[in-house]
Amino acid sequence: EFVLTQSPDTLSLSPGERATLSCRASQSVSYSYLAWYQLKPGQRPRLLIFSASSRAAGIPDRFSGSGSGTDFALTISRLEPEDVAVYYCQQYGTSPLAFGGGTKIQI
Amino acid sequence: QVQLVESGGGVVQPGGSLRLSCVASGFTFSDYGMHWIRQAPGTGLEWVTFIRYDGSKKYYVDSAKGRFTISRDNSENTVFLQMDRLRIEDTGVYYCAKDVGRYTWDYLSWFDYWGHGTLVTVSS
Repeated sequence: EFVLTQSPDTLSLSPGERATLSCRASQSVSYSYLAWYQLKPGQRPRLLIFSASSRAAGIPDRFSGSGSGTDFALTISRLEPEDVAVYYCQQYGTSPLAFGGGTKIQI
Repeated sequence: QVQLVESGGGVVQPGGSLRLSCVASGFTFSDYGMHWIRQAPGTGLEWVTFIRYDGSKKYYVDSAKGRFTISRDNSENTVFLQMDRLRIEDTGVYYCAKDVGRYTWDYLSWFDYWGHGTLVTVSS
């Protein structure tokens, strides 16, 4: 079974601060096939990053992804109030497709 | 712009059935595979099922095999999820999501657009 572990569970920061979210895989993610999504209450989920570090269309450049192998990160360089959400990583390199448990950002 | 609108959620008793629908617009629906993904209360996301752009192949998470059926009507830009023999643990918000790739053959992919979701509650 492919397990993605996200940490921390909750991140409490102030506007303008830098947020670093971790996603650790139980085995190597093939081809760095890892995506990040943002979920806000009442809104549809939004794709932020694919292939570990490629920003999706329309995503501000303060969102960036990095990592390879089993360790990945999503960084928000300067937090804004609208970044309050739960963030999920997802791997799609190996069956079964899997999501992490999420990290909640509070501001 | 791409829109995905789910409907059909509701409250059902264990062992019952529901049929979810997702109407798509803003892209050539018949060129893309479609997924259903769910989120149980207080937990994370779980991929449920995928159907190829032409309906020729379907994939399911183990817990859904034999109980759920995904289908699509490309003339109506709609994907369906028939859920039978529902269990309490099937409770959650069900999202439909568009596969990022055109003519994708396999379900191992990521999702560039999602709907707002529809709530399914299985309770006695």
